[in-house]
Order: sequence, then structure tokens, then C-alpha cells
Amino acid sequence: SQQGEEDPQALSIQEGENATMNCSYKTSINNLQWYRQNSGRGLVHLILIRSNEREKHSGRLRVTLDTSKKSSSLLITASRAADTASYFCATAQNTGTASKLTFGTGTRLQVTL
Amino acid sequence: DAGITQSPRHKVTETGTPVTLRCHQTENHRYMYWYRQDPGHGLRLIHYSYGVKDTDKGEVSDGYSVSRSKTEDFLLTLESATSSQTSVYFCAISVDRAHGYTFGSGTRLTVV
Repeated sequence: SQQGEEDPQALSIQEGENATMNCSYKTSINNLQWYRQNSGRGLVHLILIRSNEREKHSGRLRVTLDTSKKSSSLLITASRAADTASYFCATAQNTGTASKLTFGTGTRLQVTL
Repeated sequence: DAGITQSPRHKVTETGTPVTLRCHQTENHRYMYWYRQDPGHGLRLIHYSYGVKDTDKGEVSDGYSVSRSKTEDFLLTLESATSSQTSVYFCAISVDRAHGYTFGSGTRLTVV
């Protein structure tokens, strides 16, 4: 079952605009991560935010985490055509042996010129 | 993807045949994972490894087995392939529990 659910499922914007994607999850987490997937390719890790953090920045990416609401958002500022991809949130739960990631179904972002 | 390769990239096999997918890493990472990706389901964890000969089941492990005889290789075997196992399979590695995963480029498997 999906732990993270992204919203919206699809988003279309013009180059230069900001894109915001949201993720909700159900159980407690150790950290939350965002990944990008270009069509036909593997996933690329973008950013990780720990459960005791509220906001994190990396270049044009800004991630927020609200553990009381069990939600996170990913903001991509000044989007580019190259940002066109699917974006997934993934929640990490530590077990006795590993940290397992559970992925949502993703947001498909289309950035047009 | 740097440091992690999957083989084969594409495979078509017949129902009932065994299939083995290989994941090879050059990063010496402790943790390795196998996921499958299907439309409407996102990525689902099949099996994972936390060291040589140390493996455990994930969310959708039925019909799959894994082996890790050395740090760099993690094999996924479909014991008797079924059409429901048609999917894209991704391997991932991580250095520890506090970092993100690095994914391979995937294996597209079709069971006919």
C-alpha cells in the first residue's frame, strides 16, 4: 500500500513559473525524500528532509515538512523545460535491519516553453 | 547511472520459466533494494539486502527470491514467471539509513 500520496497527479506550467507538489502520508517517518524520474529512466534523488526538520533548500528546490499534518511539499522555482518529469515522494521507516522507502504514485510535471 | 548497473535492460520471457535479474554496484554500499514499478502503483519494494547473505522481504515478495553472495551483486529471481510479473524492475543502493537511494536504469520485463 502507498504510504505517500502526491497531489496533484499532473501539473502543467509554463517555463519560469513555480511548481508546487504536495505529499501526504499516514504513519510516522524517519525522513521524507523526493525523487525525479524522467521518462524511461531510473529515479534520481533530489532532497531528503529529516523528521525533526521543517524546511530544506537545494538550489531551486524547497521542501517543507509538517509532521503534525503528515504532509510535505516540494516547490520548484523558476521552472525550466528540463524539469519536465515525474516527481515522487518517499517516506522512510527504519526497521531493525534497514531503512525502507515507501513511494507514492507521483506527480507528472510538464513545463512548456 | 553511476556506480550501479542492471542487466538485462529488456527481457521477454514465457510464462512458467525462471528469470534472473542482476544488479551490480561499484559503490561498496551496504544496502541494496529491488522495486517494481507499475502504472497506478508507483514503486513497490520486493526484497532488500542489508549485507552479504542478509536479505528480507518487502511489500510484494511472493513469487520472487533474492541472493547476495558478495557486496556488489544482488540477484532477483522470478521462480516461475507469470504475466502479473510483467513490470519495470529497479534496483537501488544506499550507503546507510540516513541517505537517499541511488537507482539503476531499470529492467523492462515482459512475460508472455
